[in-house]
Amino acid sequence: DAKTTQPPSMDCAEGRAANLPCNHSTISGNEYVYWYRQIHSQGPQYIIHGLKNNETNEMASLIITEDRKSSTLILPHATLRDTAVYYCIVRGHDYKLSFGAGTTVTVRA
Amino acid sequence: ETGVTQTPRHLVMGMTNKKSLKCEQHLGHNAMYWYKQSAKKPLELMFVYNFKEQTENNSVPSRFSPECPNSSHLFLHLHTLQPEDSALYLCASSQEVAQPQHFGDGTRLSIL
Repeated sequence: DAKTTQPPSMDCAEGRAANLPCNHSTISGNEYVYWYRQIHSQGPQYIIHGLKNNETNEMASLIITEDRKSSTLILPHATLRDTAVYYCIVRGHDYKLSFGAGTTVTVRA
Repeated sequence: ETGVTQTPRHLVMGMTNKKSLKCEQHLGHNAMYWYKQSAKKPLELMFVYNFKEQTENNSVPSRFSPECPNSSHLFLHLHTLQPEDSALYLCASSQEVAQPQHFGDGTRLSIL
C-alpha cells in the first residue's frame, strides 16, 4: 500500500537548489516523514525526518505543509555527488520502512 | 563511511553451497536489520533483531537463517539458495527500533 507519491525523475543544475516534492495525503497524526537516498552501488543513506515542524540538518531541509499532506526535501546547493534515487517514506513509531520507487535525481554540470 | 560494514561486498555461489553474510556496526546501536533489494523492486525487510532478540521474520524462506550473537554483529547464513535469491542484501542498524536506520553498502549475491 503506497503511502507516498513522488515524481519518477527530475533533473537539476549543479550549484542550484533541488526541491523534491512528496505527497502523503493519508498520513496519520503519529506518522513521521522520512527521506533517504540511494547512490548507485551503495546502501540507502538517511537524510532527514520530521513530524510537523520544518527540519534542517547539514545535508538538507525538510518543509512539511501545515496540513501534513505533502512535503518538500530541499538540497540547498546540489552537487554531482547528489545524483541518486531519493525516497520519501511515511513511518509510524516502529521500525517499518516501506521504500517505494522514489525519485531519480540527476544533477547536471 | 556509514558505520555499518558488510562483508563480502560480492558473492557468487552455487545452489548447493553454504555461505554466510556478515554485518558489523560501530555505532553502538541496539537494533539490526536484514533487507533484500532485487532489481527493479523495492527494498524488502527480512529480519529484525532488537537487543539480540529476533522480533520480525517477514515470511522469509528457511534457506535464509539469521544469527545475532551480540548487538554489534549480524549474520545471514545461506544454504541451497535459488536463482531468484540473487539480489543485493543490505544490513541496517538503529539506536532503537523507532529511530533512523543506517545502512551498509550491501552484499551483491549471485546464485549460479
